[in-house]
Amino acid sequence: ETAVFQTPNYHVTQVGNEVSFNCKQTLGHDTMYWYKQDSKKLLKIMFSYNNKQLIVNETVPRRFSPQSSDKAHLNLRIKSVEPEDSAVYLCASSPGGRDTQYFGPGTRLLVL
Amino acid sequence: QQKVQQSPESLIVPEGGMASLNCTFSDRNSQYFWWYRQHSGEGPKALMSIFSNGDKKEGRFTAHLNKASLYVSLHIKDSQPSDSALYFCAAVSGGNYKPTFGKGTSLVVHP
Repeated sequence: ETAVFQTPNYHVTQVGNEVSFNCKQTLGHDTMYWYKQDSKKLLKIMFSYNNKQLIVNETVPRRFSPQSSDKAHLNLRIKSVEPEDSAVYLCASSPGGRDTQYFGPGTRLLVL
Repeated sequence: QQKVQQSPESLIVPEGGMASLNCTFSDRNSQYFWWYRQHSGEGPKALMSIFSNGDKKEGRFTAHLNKASLYVSLHIKDSQPSDSALYFCAAVSGGNYKPTFGKGTSLVVHP
């Protein structure tokens, strides 16, 4: 049963374009995350929000910016994409920072 | 910075066999640990969590934690082909609640 929804499933774009990915959770959780999963399947946290407030901001390029309108939504914008941005971007939510995380199906980005 | 290492990188077991996955972490302040499973084309899904030293059993899955040895493991009894997936260990330190994932163990269960 999917409770963390991500759109789009797949996106192909060219170097230098801007892209936005959406994430919505219907679990009533307070904390949401963005992860990047590279071609080797390595999972790296990028951002974490708790009740619309940024609590974790890993060292990611400035072209990445999270956007939270309410605690159920956490979007990710990438300005001027680079080839190394090609990856699967996974959104997750949890009741709190030390609780089980529920992941969405991911958005696969391909930068040509 | 927390480092989480998993071994082996890949594992092949016969159907009905036992799969054993290992994970070590570097931060002695780590308090919360999870095992996640990811099937191809899907997001990771939590299998089980373990917060106290010792064993925790849920069905065919048993997790073991030894904080002093900085070690956590997962054992899958009576492995099924549907268990074939990528398994991640994740650790969270008590202070910052930032999860760190290992690189994963790829498990193949052949009929």
